[in-house]
Parts: sequence; structure tokens; C-alpha cells
Amino acid sequence: DIQMTQSPSALSASVGDRVTITCRASQSIRSFLNWYQQKPGKAPKLLIYAASSLQSGVPSRFSGSGSGTDFTLTISSLQPEDFATYYCQQTYSNPLFGPGTKVDIK
Amino acid sequence: QVQLQESGPGLVKPSQTLSLTCTVSGVSMNSGDYYWSWVRQAPGEGLEWIGYIHNSGNTDYNPSLKSPVIISIDTSSNLFSLRLTSVTAADTAVYYCARVFTSDLAYKWFDFWGQGILVTVSS
Repeated sequence: DIQMTQSPSALSASVGDRVTITCRASQSIRSFLNWYQQKPGKAPKLLIYAASSLQSGVPSRFSGSGSGTDFTLTISSLQPEDFATYYCQQTYSNPLFGPGTKVDIK
Repeated sequence: QVQLQESGPGLVKPSQTLSLTCTVSGVSMNSGDYYWSWVRQAPGEGLEWIGYIHNSGNTDYNPSLKSPVIISIDTSSNLFSLRLTSVTAADTAVYYCARVFTSDLAYKWFDFWGQGILVTVSS
């Protein structure tokens, strides 16, 4: 079975910071990797699909990269509304979410 | 605009069946190459995929789930449903329904979500 890990599990950052979150798969998942943002009490929101494609309506400060086993979500300049938990998800096999990375205010 | 809305009881007794419905609006479930999925989130925990159904009726389920699962679809009423039998306290969670878009290269992503419904398993 494919396992997904994310690092860090939590980070503190300031508005304007560049933030990078890493997701790693236990075996190659090619580019079958999505990223979601979830705020407390809300449903997840799709940010990036197929590793690097920006979902319609998502600000361009969000970007994704990687293929195979190592992937990155980057927020180029953190905004107040970006404080949330971020999940990666592989769909190479049965969908599986990573454990999440919580981004909070420094 | 595609919208999904979960409905069902918020409290289920242990060993009984959890039944939820997701009503879809803004798109016909008969059209396109979509899967329709259930995802849950236990309190304070991460996201867990439960399973999905294609509009052809084909299903896939998370093999790690302990409680038996059935997902069904009614395209004439534009809704799909979840049944989780013999539930325990471990099935207490917010349950989300979601649309799964499938690209021509077989990529899948969950693009529209319901707001979620909290289901508590307790006597």
C-alpha cells in the first residue's frame, strides 16, 4: 500500500513569508497528487491538481511541483486568509490523504 | 454552480446503520465522467476517503475501513448515498460528499465538496 507523509506537521509563519510544505509518497505516484486547504469547520478546498495545475479561482501565490515520490506546495507570500491546514492526496491508487500540515500565525 | 448537500441523522447507535444522502445540484449526475465520493474526518483528525461511485454504477471502497460500506447512486434524483453498517464510536466523524473529476489521462481530483455533516455514534 502507498503511504503518504507530510512535513512539517505544523509551522508558524508571518504574513508575507514564503511557505513550503513537502509531501512524500512511499512509491512513485507519477503526478497523481492533489493539494487541499481546509479551514476550521469548513470543507476542504482544492488548490492544486495533477501535482502542478492551479485550480480555477485559486490565487497564483499557490503553486505545486514534483513528480514520482516528492512533491511541494509553495505559498509565495502568505496572506491572512492562508492560515489553515493543508493536505496532499494521491490518486494513483485508491485515494489517500496525507496527515496534514497546519499553518498558523507566528 | 455545482453544489452538494449532505443530509441524514446526526446520531446513530452503536451496531446500527449510518445512512447519509448527498443531493447534487448544478450538474446532472448522468453527464460527464465523474465519480461521486464520501470522505470523513474524525474530530481533530485528518481526512479519510471512504469510497466512491461512478455514474456507471462502478464502486471502489477504502479497504482499511472496519465497518462494511455501500455507496449507491440515483441519477434520476441526482443524489448518491452512503450506508455504513455495524458502526462503532470510531465512526464518529464529519462526513463530506464530493465530486471527483476525472481527466482524460485518468487523473482524479475532488473539486466540489458539501459542507459536511457531523454524525455521532453513541447510545
